[in-house]
Amino acid sequence: AQSVTQLDSQVPVFEEAPVELRCNYSSSVSVYLFWYVQYPNQGLQLLLKYLSGSTLVESINGFEAEFNKSQTSFHLRKPSVHISDTAEYFCAPYNQAGTALIFGKGTTLSVSS
Amino acid sequence: DVKVTQSSRYLVKRTGEKVFLECVQDMDHENMFWYRQDPGLGLRLIYFSYDVKMKEKGDIPEGYSVSREKKERFSLILESASTNQTSMYLCASSALGPSYEQYFGPGTRLTVT
Repeated sequence: AQSVTQLDSQVPVFEEAPVELRCNYSSSVSVYLFWYVQYPNQGLQLLLKYLSGSTLVESINGFEAEFNKSQTSFHLRKPSVHISDTAEYFCAPYNQAGTALIFGKGTTLSVSS
Repeated sequence: DVKVTQSSRYLVKRTGEKVFLECVQDMDHENMFWYRQDPGLGLRLIYFSYDVKMKEKGDIPEGYSVSREKKERFSLILESASTNQTSMYLCASSALGPSYEQYFGPGTRLTVT
C-alpha cells in the first residue's frame, strides 16, 4: 500500500513567486523523511532530510521543509523560485518495516518567466 | 566526487532478449538499489542488496533478477524482455542505515520493441 502521497502532480509558477509542494505520509512509516530532486535528464539527488531535532530543515539552495507529526506532513517550500528550480521533486519517507525508502509519485515544478 | 555509473544511457532491445543493466559505485557503499521510473508512477523499487551476494525483493520484482558478486557492482537482469518493461531504470547506492542518503546514477532508458 502506498504510504506517501504527493498531493500535486504538477505545479506551474512564475519566477520569484513562492511555492509549496505538499507531501503527506502514513503514520506507519518511520519519521525519517527525505526530499529528492531530479533536474531534466539527470538522476535524483538529495535536496534535504529530516532525521530528528528541529522540525524545520533547509537546503543550500533556499528550500525548506517542515516535519509536522500531528498532520503527518513534510511539505517543501521556497519563498522565491528561480527558473533553475524547474525539476521533478520526490518526497520519500523511510519504510521502517523494510529497509528502503518509499518514493512518492513526484511533483513537477515548472518555473516560467 | 562520489559517483554511481550505469553502463548505458539508452538501450533498445527486442522482446524475448536477455538484458543486462550494470551499475558501479565507487563509494564502498553496502547498499545498492534498482528502481524503475515511469511517468505518473514515480520510482518503484525492484530489488536491493545490502551486501555481496545478498538481495531482497522490492515492490515489483516480477520479471527481474539481480546479481551482486562484488561490493561495487550490482546488475539487473531481464531474463526475457517484454514491452511492458520499457522504462527508465535508476541505480542507487548508500551506506548502511536509514539516515544515509542514496546516490543515484544517471539512469538507463530501456526500450523493448
